[in-house]
Amino acid sequence: AQSVTQPDIHITVSEGASLELRCNYSYGATPYLFWYVQSPGQGLQLLLKYFSGDTLVQGIKGFEAEFKRSQSSFNLRKPSVHWSDAAEYFCAVGASGTYKYIFGTGTRLKVLA
Amino acid sequence: EAGVAQSPRYKIIEKRQSVAFWCNPISGHATLYWYQQILGQGPKLLIQFQNNGVVDDSQLPKDRFSAERLKGVDSTLKIQPAKLEDSAVYLCASRYGTGVNSPLHFGNGTRLTVT
Repeated sequence: AQSVTQPDIHITVSEGASLELRCNYSYGATPYLFWYVQSPGQGLQLLLKYFSGDTLVQGIKGFEAEFKRSQSSFNLRKPSVHWSDAAEYFCAVGASGTYKYIFGTGTRLKVLA
Repeated sequence: EAGVAQSPRYKIIEKRQSVAFWCNPISGHATLYWYQQILGQGPKLLIQFQNNGVVDDSQLPKDRFSAERLKGVDSTLKIQPAKLEDSAVYLCASRYGTGVNSPLHFGNGTRLTVT
Protein backbone atom coordinates (compact mmCIF):
# COMPACT_ATOMS: atom_id res chain seq x y z
CA ALA A 1 0.00 0.00 0.00
CA GLN A 2 1.14 3.54 -0.63
CA SER A 3 2.19 5.77 2.23
CA VAL A 4 3.83 9.14 2.76
CA THR A 5 6.08 10.26 5.60
CA GLN A 6 6.96 13.83 6.42
CA PRO A 7 9.50 13.50 9.21
CA ASP A 8 9.48 17.15 10.28
CA ILE A 9 6.35 18.34 12.06
CA HIS A 10 7.62 21.90 12.52
CA ILE A 11 10.40 23.83 10.82
CA THR A 12 11.51 27.38 11.60
CA VAL A 13 13.70 29.38 9.23
CA SER A 14 14.72 32.99 8.98
CA GLU A 15 13.44 35.08 6.12
CA GLY A 16 15.88 34.89 3.24
CA ALA A 17 17.28 31.54 4.30
CA SER A 18 17.01 28.42 2.18
CA LEU A 19 14.40 25.77 2.89
CA GLU A 20 14.12 22.04 2.42
CA LEU A 21 11.08 20.04 3.49
CA ARG A 22 11.42 16.28 3.47
CA CYS A 23 9.02 13.76 2.05
CA ASN A 24 9.47 10.00 1.79
CA TYR A 25 6.99 7.74 0.08
CA SER A 26 6.32 4.07 -0.15
CA TYR A 27 4.92 2.69 -3.37
CA GLY A 28 5.84 -0.28 -5.53
CA ALA A 29 5.76 1.43 -8.90
CA THR A 30 6.55 4.91 -10.09
CA PRO A 31 4.31 7.21 -8.10
CA TYR A 32 2.68 10.47 -8.92
CA LEU A 33 3.96 12.95 -6.36
CA PHE A 34 2.58 16.28 -5.27
CA TRP A 35 3.30 19.09 -2.87
CA TYR A 36 0.43 21.20 -1.55
CA VAL A 37 0.47 24.28 0.67
CA GLN A 38 -2.25 25.22 3.14
CA SER A 39 -2.44 28.71 4.62
CA PRO A 40 -4.48 29.19 7.79
CA GLY A 41 -8.21 28.88 7.14
CA GLN A 42 -7.65 27.94 3.52
CA GLY A 43 -7.87 24.83 1.43
CA LEU A 44 -4.86 23.15 -0.09
CA GLN A 45 -3.17 24.72 -3.09
CA LEU A 46 -1.04 22.73 -5.49
CA LEU A 47 2.61 23.84 -5.55
CA LEU A 48 4.02 21.30 -7.97
CA LYS A 49 3.73 17.76 -9.23
CA TYR A 50 5.91 14.99 -10.60
CA PHE A 51 4.70 12.34 -13.00
CA SER A 52 7.72 11.35 -15.08
CA GLY A 53 10.69 12.78 -16.93
CA ASP A 54 12.99 15.37 -15.44
CA THR A 55 13.40 14.58 -11.76
CA LEU A 56 13.71 18.25 -10.80
CA VAL A 57 10.36 19.96 -11.08
CA GLN A 58 9.57 23.62 -10.78
CA GLY A 59 6.44 24.90 -9.14
CA ILE A 60 4.72 28.11 -8.24
CA LYS A 61 6.01 30.71 -5.78
CA GLY A 62 9.65 29.80 -6.47
CA PHE A 63 9.44 26.26 -5.11
CA GLU A 64 11.08 23.22 -6.65
CA ALA A 65 11.23 19.55 -5.73
CA GLU A 66 13.51 16.71 -6.68
CA PHE A 67 12.39 13.11 -7.15
CA LYS A 68 15.00 10.60 -6.02
CA ARG A 69 13.88 7.07 -6.73
CA SER A 70 16.82 5.47 -4.91
CA GLN A 71 15.88 7.28 -1.72
CA SER A 72 12.10 7.17 -2.23
CA SER A 73 12.11 10.88 -1.60
CA PHE A 74 10.50 13.99 -3.04
CA ASN A 75 11.90 16.90 -1.06
CA LEU A 76 10.64 20.42 -1.50
CA ARG A 77 13.12 23.30 -1.69
CA LYS A 78 13.19 27.05 -1.95
CA PRO A 79 16.43 29.06 -2.14
CA SER A 80 15.16 32.11 -0.25
CA VAL A 81 12.11 32.00 2.00
CA HIS A 82 9.69 34.90 2.28
CA TRP A 83 7.54 35.65 5.34
CA SER A 84 4.45 34.85 3.25
CA ASP A 85 5.65 31.25 2.88
CA ALA A 86 4.66 30.52 6.47
CA ALA A 87 2.04 27.80 6.12
CA GLU A 88 1.59 24.07 6.32
CA TYR A 89 3.01 21.92 3.56
CA PHE A 90 1.69 18.52 2.56
CA CYS A 91 3.30 15.91 0.40
CA ALA A 92 0.97 13.49 -1.37
CA VAL A 93 1.37 10.37 -3.45
CA GLY A 94 -1.03 9.05 -6.02
CA ALA A 95 -1.00 5.54 -7.39
CA SER A 96 -1.44 5.11 -11.10
CA GLY A 97 -4.60 3.27 -11.98
CA THR A 98 -6.45 4.55 -8.93
CA TYR A 99 -8.13 7.75 -8.01
CA LYS A 100 -6.51 7.99 -4.60
CA TYR A 101 -4.14 10.47 -3.10
CA ILE A 102 -2.48 9.68 0.20
CA PHE A 103 -1.34 12.73 2.15
CA GLY A 104 1.46 13.03 4.65
CA THR A 105 0.85 14.52 8.07
CA GLY A 106 2.26 17.88 7.02
CA THR A 107 5.13 20.18 7.99
CA ARG A 108 4.31 23.51 9.56
CA LEU A 109 6.72 26.22 8.44
CA LYS A 110 7.40 29.26 10.57
CA VAL A 111 9.37 32.16 9.11
CA LEU A 112 11.27 34.53 11.38
CA ALA A 113 11.61 38.14 10.33
CA GLU B 1 -12.56 30.01 -13.21
CA ALA B 2 -14.48 29.87 -9.96
CA GLY B 3 -12.99 27.56 -7.37
CA VAL B 4 -14.55 24.84 -5.26
CA ALA B 5 -17.21 26.38 -3.03
CA GLN B 6 -18.03 25.05 0.41
CA SER B 7 -20.47 26.13 3.07
CA PRO B 8 -20.74 26.84 5.87
CA ARG B 9 -17.21 27.92 6.79
CA TYR B 10 -17.71 27.16 10.47
CA LYS B 11 -20.16 25.06 12.45
CA ILE B 12 -20.42 24.40 16.16
CA ILE B 13 -22.78 21.69 17.37
CA GLU B 14 -23.28 19.55 20.42
CA LYS B 15 -22.57 15.85 20.36
CA ARG B 16 -25.42 13.71 19.11
CA GLN B 17 -26.72 16.54 16.93
CA SER B 18 -26.70 16.33 13.15
CA VAL B 19 -24.90 18.56 10.66
CA ALA B 20 -24.62 18.89 6.90
CA PHE B 21 -21.96 20.38 4.68
CA TRP B 22 -22.36 21.49 1.10
CA CYS B 23 -19.88 21.52 -1.78
CA ASN B 24 -20.09 22.91 -5.29
CA PRO B 25 -17.14 21.73 -7.41
CA ILE B 26 -15.49 23.51 -10.29
CA SER B 27 -17.73 23.43 -13.35
CA GLY B 28 -17.01 20.40 -15.49
CA HIS B 29 -15.17 18.46 -12.81
CA ALA B 30 -16.59 14.98 -12.79
CA THR B 31 -14.70 13.68 -9.79
CA LEU B 32 -15.45 14.95 -6.29
CA TYR B 33 -13.90 14.05 -2.95
CA TRP B 34 -14.64 14.66 0.69
CA TYR B 35 -11.67 14.69 3.05
CA GLN B 36 -11.53 14.92 6.81
CA GLN B 37 -8.60 16.85 8.26
CA ILE B 38 -8.13 16.51 11.98
CA LEU B 39 -5.91 19.13 13.61
CA GLY B 40 -2.27 18.27 13.13
CA GLN B 41 -2.92 15.62 10.50
CA GLY B 42 -3.07 15.41 6.75
CA PRO B 43 -6.36 15.10 4.90
CA LYS B 44 -7.96 11.67 5.03
CA LEU B 45 -10.23 10.55 2.22
CA LEU B 46 -13.82 9.88 3.29
CA ILE B 47 -15.59 9.37 -0.01
CA GLN B 48 -15.03 9.81 -3.73
CA PHE B 49 -17.65 10.34 -6.40
CA GLN B 50 -17.35 9.96 -10.14
CA ASN B 51 -20.25 11.97 -11.53
CA ASN B 52 -23.08 10.90 -9.21
CA GLY B 53 -21.75 7.43 -8.45
CA VAL B 54 -19.66 6.43 -5.44
CA VAL B 55 -16.20 5.15 -6.39
CA ASP B 56 -14.72 4.70 -2.93
CA ASP B 57 -16.34 5.05 0.48
CA SER B 58 -14.24 2.49 2.30
CA GLN B 59 -13.13 4.99 4.95
CA LEU B 60 -16.51 6.60 5.51
CA PRO B 61 -18.00 5.73 8.93
CA LYS B 62 -21.30 4.68 7.46
CA ASP B 63 -23.05 4.30 10.77
CA ARG B 64 -23.04 8.08 11.14
CA PHE B 65 -21.74 9.66 7.93
CA SER B 66 -23.55 9.84 4.63
CA ALA B 67 -22.91 11.67 1.40
CA GLU B 68 -24.65 12.18 -1.86
CA ARG B 69 -24.03 13.88 -5.14
CA LEU B 70 -27.30 14.32 -6.91
CA LYS B 71 -27.14 15.08 -10.63
CA GLY B 72 -23.37 14.73 -10.54
CA VAL B 73 -22.70 18.31 -9.50
CA ASP B 74 -23.21 19.56 -5.93
CA SER B 75 -22.57 17.27 -3.01
CA THR B 76 -23.61 17.14 0.63
CA LEU B 77 -21.92 15.36 3.51
CA LYS B 78 -23.98 14.63 6.61
CA ILE B 79 -23.06 13.50 10.08
CA GLN B 80 -25.78 12.08 12.33
CA PRO B 81 -25.26 11.81 15.23
CA ALA B 82 -22.01 13.72 15.70
CA LYS B 83 -19.33 12.62 18.14
CA LEU B 84 -16.58 14.68 19.77
CA GLU B 85 -13.97 13.00 17.57
CA ASP B 86 -15.70 14.35 14.46
CA SER B 87 -14.27 17.79 15.22
CA ALA B 88 -12.20 18.53 12.15
CA VAL B 89 -12.04 20.49 8.93
CA TYR B 90 -14.03 18.89 6.14
CA LEU B 91 -12.51 19.58 2.77
CA CYS B 92 -14.16 19.13 -0.57
CA ALA B 93 -12.00 18.70 -3.65
CA SER B 94 -12.67 18.13 -7.30
CA ARG B 95 -10.71 17.27 -10.41
CA TYR B 96 -11.41 17.35 -14.12
CA GLY B 97 -10.13 13.96 -15.16
CA THR B 98 -10.36 10.55 -13.63
CA GLY B 99 -6.67 9.75 -13.50
CA VAL B 100 -4.55 10.48 -10.47
CA ASN B 101 -2.33 12.71 -12.61
CA SER B 102 -5.09 15.29 -12.76
CA PRO B 103 -4.49 17.56 -9.77
CA LEU B 104 -7.04 18.10 -7.04
CA HIS B 105 -8.59 21.50 -6.48
CA PHE B 106 -9.66 22.12 -2.90
CA GLY B 107 -12.28 24.32 -1.32
CA ASN B 108 -11.54 26.31 1.84
CA GLY B 109 -13.22 23.72 4.02
CA THR B 110 -15.80 23.67 6.79
CA ARG B 111 -14.45 23.71 10.32
CA LEU B 112 -16.66 21.60 12.57
CA THR B 113 -16.46 21.80 16.34
CA VAL B 114 -18.43 19.23 18.33
CA THR B 115 -18.88 20.09 22.00
